[in-house]
Amino acid sequence: DTGVSQNPRHKITKRGQNVTFRCDPISEHNRLYWYRQTLGQGPEFLTYFQNEAQLEKSRLLSDRFSAERPKGSFSTLEIQRTEQGDSAMYLCASSAPGLADNEQFFGPGTRLTVL
Amino acid sequence: AQSVSQHNHHVILSEAASLELGCNYSYGGTVNLFWYVQYPGQHLQLLLKYFSGDPLVKGIKGFEAEFIKSKFSFNLRKPSVQWSDTAEYFCAVTPPRVFGPGTRLSVLP
Repeated sequence: DTGVSQNPRHKITKRGQNVTFRCDPISEHNRLYWYRQTLGQGPEFLTYFQNEAQLEKSRLLSDRFSAERPKGSFSTLEIQRTEQGDSAMYLCASSAPGLADNEQFFGPGTRLTVL
Repeated sequence: AQSVSQHNHHVILSEAASLELGCNYSYGGTVNLFWYVQYPGQHLQLLLKYFSGDPLVKGIKGFEAEFIKSKFSFNLRKPSVQWSDTAEYFCAVTPPRVFGPGTRLSVLP
């Protein structure tokens, strides 16, 4: 499978714990995006990387959230001191050079449940 | 704040019926417009896109959408739906990279 992969697929954690998610984009896709999706809503943009540079961060991305893409390939999204309101599906998407922004390939998502 | 609205939360149709899903956005500048679809248990995938030129764009699986700049709309259409079109449909606008809340389509066999 050469699509976008995300791990883990499901994560259950207790409030206050830290969690980290991983996204592996499609090979040679230089742009990588993180979104959050809650039930009944569309994806909400969190942050965007072009290669290893984090070029844009949404105001939704509080200081408890941090994302990295150290070598311009895979990316991690960490949530510190999780809160129940962080429960959501976290989606990763990637896009190739020459494609428009929002012309993205999505992964299956990581579903986070904070108890 | 820029927003994308989708008129219907849930649409139920019988097979062979025609489909139109509404999408309106509030951003006033030049935009790129997209429709994404999420079939049950599957990833979001791009259905069609509009950047410029002919405002009527065709996508996969017989879907098309019309961009009407004066109405800030980008409605999705299909002349005859099939049971396999049952899915959630999301309209998206860039900039500023905003998705609508989605419309769930249920097609009855």
